[in-house]
Amino acid sequence: AQSVTQLDSHVSVSEGTPVLLRCNYSSSYSPSLFWYVQHPNKGLQLLLKYTSAATLVKGINGFEAEFKKSETSFHLTKPSAHMSDAAEYFCVVSLRNDYKLSFGAGTTVTVRA
Amino acid sequence: DSGVTQTPKHLITATGQRVTLRCSPRSGDLSVYWYQQSLDQGLQFLIQYYNGEERAKGNILERFSAQQFPDLHSELNLSSLELGDSALYFCASSLLGTGGETQYFGPGTRLLVL
Repeated sequence: AQSVTQLDSHVSVSEGTPVLLRCNYSSSYSPSLFWYVQHPNKGLQLLLKYTSAATLVKGINGFEAEFKKSETSFHLTKPSAHMSDAAEYFCVVSLRNDYKLSFGAGTTVTVRA
Repeated sequence: DSGVTQTPKHLITATGQRVTLRCSPRSGDLSVYWYQQSLDQGLQFLIQYYNGEERAKGNILERFSAQQFPDLHSELNLSSLELGDSALYFCASSLLGTGGETQYFGPGTRLLVL
């Protein structure tokens, strides 16, 4: 079985400061891990994907995530938040033998001016 | 823009009614997935089709059904609607429908059952 836990339901940061969104996963096999973002009244957009090629994954809009197998974590970071980063972020896991994506509960990011 | 299209964008209907949601996958993608997003359940996988055949089922109610047509577009049919079916329904597509593959999501259909 696979599951994803997003450790924070809500994160609030000031514009220009770093953002950290925490995600832990549990999986019996090597998973594929994703971060998706959902802006208000919009669909889900892929930020980045980990597939075991490199533990540090760079995504769009300055985001990156680090896969740590020993900690079963896949935290998402951005060095400097922008107002446009205000959205909901989902950590997602998928296995080679399972067709579906399993979503975390989501983290809502608020950016203060 | 992911290349996945969904219609309609919004749907308002009454309990007991039936609705059909439509999805067109990205050009070249053979697999289509349906997900439901609700406040209490979060994002849940409903069903997957690959090249016209059902491949996997998730938490899909018996009142719900789907199909994928020869042109690869898909429809999700929801019948005997209940208030609790109000949610955002997403369609996603991927090239081969295999595990670990990136899925690209459409903008969603927001269903409100009154």
